[in-house]
Amino acid sequence: NAGVTQTPKFRVLKTGQSMTLLCAQDMNHEYMYWYRQDPGMGLRLIHYSVGEGTTAKGEVPDGYNVSRLKKQNFLLGLESAAPSQTSVYFCASSRGLGRELFFGEGSRLTVL
Amino acid sequence: SQQGEEDPQALSIQEGENATMNCSYKTSINNLQWYRQNSGRGLVHLILIRSNEREKHSGRLRVTLDTSKKSSSLLITASRAADTASYFCATVDPYSGGGADGLTFGKGTHLIIQP
Repeated sequence: NAGVTQTPKFRVLKTGQSMTLLCAQDMNHEYMYWYRQDPGMGLRLIHYSVGEGTTAKGEVPDGYNVSRLKKQNFLLGLESAAPSQTSVYFCASSRGLGRELFFGEGSRLTVL
Repeated sequence: SQQGEEDPQALSIQEGENATMNCSYKTSINNLQWYRQNSGRGLVHLILIRSNEREKHSGRLRVTLDTSKKSSSLLITASRAADTASYFCATVDPYSGGGADGLTFGKGTHLIIQP
């Protein structure tokens, strides 16, 4: 049972490049989330999804796009990376609102 | 916006001692959750306490909730070196006007257990 899997685990980008982070969960969870974690800032919600085909903005959505074409996958895209997007990104899933979150191991992104 | 705020930011104790960390939050909540994060890893759920509960236990963990003071505490008894990690509280605001349905996390307490 893999739980929540994030790929890639590490990536270095140049300013202006684009990339996609993939999150996959095998628990049949309806809700999926993308958070970013920065030193001294805790975790901040970027985007989330309450079901296949739906997405919504979180606290810090600017510069990111997401898609949930399949229930088990939640993609986070950066169209034009900026140094301010250097961070560790965590995907999580849950059975519903306010329920326990299951996290992936994180994706460390550096934008030069 | 940050909902929970953990205190202290960092805590160092000797193995075998008890560790207590606190969380304060700003608005009404449905429940409050505590998570642990080992260095370089994802967060792991520890315990959930509902707004109508005052205390909950899970193994060496004891969580209390005081909704009148908008605060919670996490007690780890008989600490072990393996308890070294960051601990976060997280809440869901049932009246969140921003539309975000995700948990909002505090900045965490970094706990170090000295062998």
